[in-house]
Amino acid sequence: DARVTQTPRHKVTEMGQEVTMRCQPILGHNTVFWYRQTMMQGLELLAYFRNRAPLDDSGMPKDRFSAEMPDATLATLKIQPSEPRDSAVYFCASGLVNLETQYFGPGTRLLVL
Amino acid sequence: SQQGEEDPQALSIQEGENATMNCSYKTSINNLQWYRQNSGRGLVHLILIRSNEREKHSGRLRVTLDTSKKSSSLLITASRAADTASYFCGGYQKVTFGTGTKLQVIP
Repeated sequence: DARVTQTPRHKVTEMGQEVTMRCQPILGHNTVFWYRQTMMQGLELLAYFRNRAPLDDSGMPKDRFSAEMPDATLATLKIQPSEPRDSAVYFCASGLVNLETQYFGPGTRLLVL
Repeated sequence: SQQGEEDPQALSIQEGENATMNCSYKTSINNLQWYRQNSGRGLVHLILIRSNEREKHSGRLRVTLDTSKKSSSLLITASRAADTASYFCGGYQKVTFGTGTKLQVIP
């Protein structure tokens, strides 16, 4: 049963620290999405990759956030420096561009103190 | 891209009743998708309806699409307590997820 995996599942850190979240998309999927979910803002699209190339990262604060796909099996989302307002659940999703359905990972719950 | 907007924001019904949720969007689309999110989990794909379809069924789910009004509805028939979750429309490129409809099914 192929699944999107995310690590870590939980992260508590102090303001100013770097946070790296990792996502392993389903093997063969060529699109990857990063989302952030909070009670106040709901589910926000941060970045979208197709064939490892970033197509849309307009939802991502550029000064502190960066998203990359070093290879087809790994997507990373980094926050440096982290701030308390970054506390949220970060979801990764993957899919096939011709099918358009997204498969979500379990999320990384981030708390910045 | 723009967000789909689900309506109502919250819905509480008794087990066995039907639940209807609506979604509106602004851009033209190739398809629209509905997802479910259980508390603390990622979204799970429920059903996809293409722009040339008006209605689609999957088990207890019925989805309609009106491209002229840029709206869609999701009907869950004979609801169960396990249907308690948040429901989102959208999901690809042009239409990103909104804030969802939080459905509570009371046993």
